[in-house]
Amino acid sequence: NAGVTQTPKFQVLKTGQSMTLQCAQDMNHNSMYWYRQDPGMGLRLIYYSASEGTTDKGEVPNGYNVSRLNKREFSLRLESAAPSQTSVYFCASSDRGGDNEQFFGPGTRLTVL
Amino acid sequence: GENVEQHPSTLSVQEGDSAVIKCTYSDSASNYFPWYKQELGKGPQLIIDIRSNVGEKKDQRIAVTLNKTAKHFSLHITETQPEDSAVYFCAASRTGTASKLTFGTGTRLQVTL
Repeated sequence: NAGVTQTPKFQVLKTGQSMTLQCAQDMNHNSMYWYRQDPGMGLRLIYYSASEGTTDKGEVPNGYNVSRLNKREFSLRLESAAPSQTSVYFCASSDRGGDNEQFFGPGTRLTVL
Repeated sequence: GENVEQHPSTLSVQEGDSAVIKCTYSDSASNYFPWYKQELGKGPQLIIDIRSNVGEKKDQRIAVTLNKTAKHFSLHITETQPEDSAVYFCAASRTGTASKLTFGTGTRLQVTL
């Protein structure tokens, strides 16, 4: 039982490049989330998927897109990376909604030059 | 939307002392209040949560109190140990499958010998 897995662990991009962050969970959870963590700003929600087939914007969605590929997988795409997107990205999942325990992956550290 | 403020941003205590971290929230409809612990290089992990029908909850050395009237909640750690050193985040959420967490900005707790 791996929980929540994220790939890659580290990534360096140049401004304007694109990439997709992958996330998968094996707990049969309905809800999945993408957060970014910046120093002094806590965790901010980028996008979430309350259930398979639905996605909604969070607090900071600009510059990102998401795909809920199936119940297990939720990917985050940066179409044209900017230095302001340098951050640590966390994927999380919960059984049903934000008012239940969220299980976090180990994070992806992204640097945009 | 919801706004969660957390204080202090850093806290240093001696081993065996108590630590208190305080949070306030703005959305009176929020009724789920979890606390997460993040160790260096890892994703956050739930340590305790409380719902609005409860004023206090304890789990061994950890307790959380909630004052819905004043819209604030606190984390209390007694008999602190070096392994309690980490970053702690409070959060708030409404209930429902589409609900989402809003996190505070975090408190870095350092337990010194």
